[in-house]
Amino acid sequence: QVQLVESGGGVVQPGGSLRLSCAASGFTFSSYGMHWVRQAPGKGLEWVAFIQYDGSNKYYRDSVKGRFTLSRDNSKNTLYLQMNSLRAEDTAVYYCAKGRSSRDGYNYFDYWGQGTLVTVSS
Amino acid sequence: EIVLTQSPATLSLSPGERATLSCRASQSVSSYLAWYQQKPGQAPRLLIYDAYTRATGIPARFSGSGSGTDFTLTISSLEPEDFAVYFCQQRNNWPLTFGGGTKVEIK
Repeated sequence: QVQLVESGGGVVQPGGSLRLSCAASGFTFSSYGMHWVRQAPGKGLEWVAFIQYDGSNKYYRDSVKGRFTLSRDNSKNTLYLQMNSLRAEDTAVYYCAKGRSSRDGYNYFDYWGQGTLVTVSS
Repeated sequence: EIVLTQSPATLSLSPGERATLSCRASQSVSSYLAWYQQKPGQAPRLLIYDAYTRATGIPARFSGSGSGTDFTLTISSLEPEDFAVYFCQQRNNWPLTFGGGTKVEIK
């Protein structure tokens, strides 16, 4: 069965950095685009970033461009999100999500991890 | 950025009743819209994609309709496990965006 397990969350001061990881299993990781989606406490869902199955294309929401970097290691079945210059408004649960199919550009999310909480606070 | 507006914010219904949830887009998203269910403390679950196609394992009581800017998620007869928050999401344009959610609560 598909499993996505995030790690790396925690408490960080404004301006600090964190690196999130997402370990994937139960599917051919190297064949699927992958996303990060976040959810601030008590709020709705917000898409953060996407990486194509081979890492050839990446997309970011404007508010994280230049601060967050998405990468993947297909030999380790792992997705990464390097987050720099963190702000209070980045506080959220960060979910790793698998893109559903190449037929929809991998832009629906058919499996999600359990999430990892990032808290940016002094 | 395409803004998705969901209504109502909260829907109070009893088990067995029909639920009708709305999602309106600020510009056309063609049929490229999905619906997700989220329960407290859990990750979202994909219910419907491409406006009306049920995801794997989703019961037939969930159905989606619409195209362009107006979409509807219908739950034909609410089961106890259906009380949750529902989000719509478009994939027509970057950035991918979600609606603000509709909470379906027990009346």
